Parts: sequence; structure tokens; C-alpha cells
Amino acid sequence: KQEVTQIPAALSVPEGENLVLNCSFTDSAIYNLQWFRQDPGKGLTSLLLIQSSQREQTSGRLNASLDKSSGRSTLYIAASQPGDSATYLCAVPSNTGKLIFGQGTTLQVKP
Amino acid sequence: GAGVSQTPSNKVTEKGKYVELRCDPISGHTALYWYRQSLGQGPEFLIYFQGTGAADDSGLPNDRFFAVRPEGSVSTLKIQRTERGDSAMYLCASRDRADTEAFFGQGTRLTVV
Repeated sequence: KQEVTQIPAALSVPEGENLVLNCSFTDSAIYNLQWFRQDPGKGLTSLLLIQSSQREQTSGRLNASLDKSSGRSTLYIAASQPGDSATYLCAVPSNTGKLIFGQGTTLQVKP
Repeated sequence: GAGVSQTPSNKVTEKGKYVELRCDPISGHTALYWYRQSLGQGPEFLIYFQGTGAADDSGLPNDRFFAVRPEGSVSTLKIQRTERGDSAMYLCASRDRADTEAFFGQGTRLTVV
């Protein structure tokens, strides 16, 4: 059974710092991994989808990497800003197609 | 439509009442998902549709929960005899294929009083 874990659960950094969020999964037989952002009381916004054949995917100040063999993905945020404060979730598809989520990392970027 | 649309955005109901939550997926997306999220938790899977049929309904917590997607587009999540423990954010997502990006709506906040 696929399980997804995100560590840490919460993170607080000063503005301008580069940071890394971690996501690990137990079954490496995935065909993609998706990172989402969630603001309080809102739905999920897709940030990046990284296919199993890719090692990295970039969008602006965000860079996601995927290492299937070790069951890990990281989301790198460069030059963090207060507007980046949110909960970040990663998700992988199960063999039936449903998305399995981690518990999320809540990020606070202090001005 | 431009994105996944969920209505209503907020719903307050009394314990024991019946509620329906609606999801309009992105046009042409064949896969549709329902999730439930409690405060401070990750989304919890409820049901997944591929076209009109439920490909995986293993997440529905009990027989008070039911979902339909009769024409392979709009989906309705139905909850009978609501309980206070049903209070949560209900999220809907859609995508074109299993290997493409999933897009979520803004959710319906359900409060059972």
C-alpha cells in the first residue's frame, strides 16, 4: 500500500532564504508526482507535475526533483517571499489512479 | 470551463439532514476525484470516476455517502443523515488522463451543526 510522508510538518524561515521541502513515498512504481500549494480555507493549486522519466521540473522560483529509486521528491523554493506562506502537499497516483497525498508542510516566510 | 468549479462554496446544515455537493470538472476531463479534508490534515480520498463509472470508491466512509456522474461530466456527492463528524472541506479534482496534471476546485466547506 502506497504511503506518502512529508517532513517537516511545519517550517518557518526568514524572507529571502532558499528552502527545501521533502516528500517520500513507499512504492517506487509511480508514473508521476505532483506538488500542490494550499492557502488556508482554499482548494489546492497545482505547482508542478514531474513524470517518472524526469529528474527535475522547474517553474519560476520552484524546482521539483524526483528520485524514484529512493522514493523521494524535493521541492526547492528559491529566494522565499512572504507570499509563499502556505501548505505544500505532494501526491502520487496509486495503481488504481487515485491520488495519495502526504500530510503537507506548512511554510511560514517571515518578512 | 476554465477550471474546476464546486458549488456551493459553503454549506451549513443541521445534523440528520441530506446534502448534495456539486462538481463541474474541466471540460473534456474524463477522470474526476472527490476528497475530504479536515483541518490540518492532507486530503483523504473518497471516490474516483473514470467517465460515468466509479473506478474506485474504496474511500467512501459508509453507506451514507454516495456519488454520481451520470453523463461523465458534472458529479454530485450526496450525504444522507449528516453527522457532525462529516464537517470538513470537500474537494473535487479532474484530469484528462492518469498521467496528466490534476486540477482542483476551491472546495465546499461543509459544516454540520
